[in-house]
Amino acid sequence: AQTIHQWPVAEIKAVGSPLSLGCTIKGKSSPNLYWYWQATGGTLQQLFYSITVGQVESVVQLNLSASRPKDDQFILSTEKLLLSHSGFYLCAWSLAQYEQYFGPGTRLTVL
Amino acid sequence: QQKVQQSPESLTVSEGAMASLNCTFSDGTSNNFRWYRQHSAKGLEVLVSIFSDGEKEEGRFTAHLNRANLHVSLHIREPQPSDSAVYLCAVSMTGNYKYVFGAGTRLKVIA
Repeated sequence: AQTIHQWPVAEIKAVGSPLSLGCTIKGKSSPNLYWYWQATGGTLQQLFYSITVGQVESVVQLNLSASRPKDDQFILSTEKLLLSHSGFYLCAWSLAQYEQYFGPGTRLTVL
Repeated sequence: QQKVQQSPESLTVSEGAMASLNCTFSDGTSNNFRWYRQHSAKGLEVLVSIFSDGEKEEGRFTAHLNRANLHVSLHIREPQPSDSAVYLCAVSMTGNYKYVFGAGTRLKVIA
């Protein structure tokens, strides 16, 4: 059974439109959660991490925000998309600081 | 700020020959090193984690860490065409939830 789900699988959005990407973790209690972004052909960059519900730390500022409304849910959002937001978004979880396990990703195209 | 560089950018090896990938990092206090692989913009698969100088083997994958030389390597024994992917090095520090990834090495294994 898949532990980590990301939605949507892919999204095509217009510049200036809002965005919400989601990630849920099943079967793990109090995981650490992470958001990463990868431009096409680019390096994977960590955006946010969360150790506990309601607390999110920013690592890189890309005019995005993240929230953790539940222990098993991590949301990435923005009110206004930029062309530069296009890319591949990955959610990951870990227990303490052991291996990170990644979701299947969301492909975002901003036109 | 931590910098992680991987070499070579791309590598082609014959099936069954050893493949060796390199990763250098700039922060000598780092103590968490992981190798992942990524098939065609999909999620990442963790291969091996290493936390102290020396060698760590996970199946056909062996990581070597030399913190004094700021270097960690990955050796793939008897690579198969299915091992063709992008291999990523990730560096972090215990107690710090920030992970820095290298740009990756694209490995192609030919039959």
